[in-house]
Amino acid sequence: DQQVKQNSPSLSVQEGRISILNCDYTNSMFDYFLWYKKYPAEGPTFLISISSIKDKNEDGRFTVFLNKSAKHLSLHIVPSQPGDSAVYFCAASETGANSKLTFGKGITLSVRP
Amino acid sequence: EAGVAQSPRYKIIEKRQSVAFWCNPISGHATLYWYQQILGQGPKLLIQFQNNGVVDDSQLPKDRFSAERLKGVDSTLKIQPAKLEDSAVYLCASSLAQESDEQYFGPGTRLTVT
Repeated sequence: DQQVKQNSPSLSVQEGRISILNCDYTNSMFDYFLWYKKYPAEGPTFLISISSIKDKNEDGRFTVFLNKSAKHLSLHIVPSQPGDSAVYFCAASETGANSKLTFGKGITLSVRP
Repeated sequence: EAGVAQSPRYKIIEKRQSVAFWCNPISGHATLYWYQQILGQGPKLLIQFQNNGVVDDSQLPKDRFSAERLKGVDSTLKIQPAKLEDSAVYLCASSLAQESDEQYFGPGTRLTVT
């Protein structure tokens, strides 16, 4: 049972345009959400996070939006750059669960020059 | 600051053989995690240590997988005997504290079981 779902396996965008990566979750106990970025042959690296008490968190070109009623979050990258080409994982955890992360399957983002 | 180190980076074994992976977390990080990432899937937590004690091993197949962190620093993950479905990347991660939100990942060990 996939508790964190990234239904689109891939996304291709033009350099300079916006990239929107979507994530849905089913477990209503999740209250902390993270995005990780992964390059080939490397481990995932933390990108940005959001607590369930917020609906938006911004860090430079990266913004995460959370819609709790829809159990949906999205990562916006503006403007997209070729170096952003990677696999992006959405992850979720619940407070008190020893920070255990549940990951989605990932989305492969390709940014075309 | 040195990152999480893992070795070996690649391993090919035949089914029914045994294999061991090693992880050295970031200095001072109390919490250590082992994840299994099967091709096309996200990482799945196998076991979590807080210092040298196990916090969560609910998804560890204990009939064939074992892990230890004897001195609360380095950790080893062992598979004995390996099955074809164990082919995956095994990721080690560490974090400062148990409730810390940021986990730092190593590069992983890619295991192929033939």
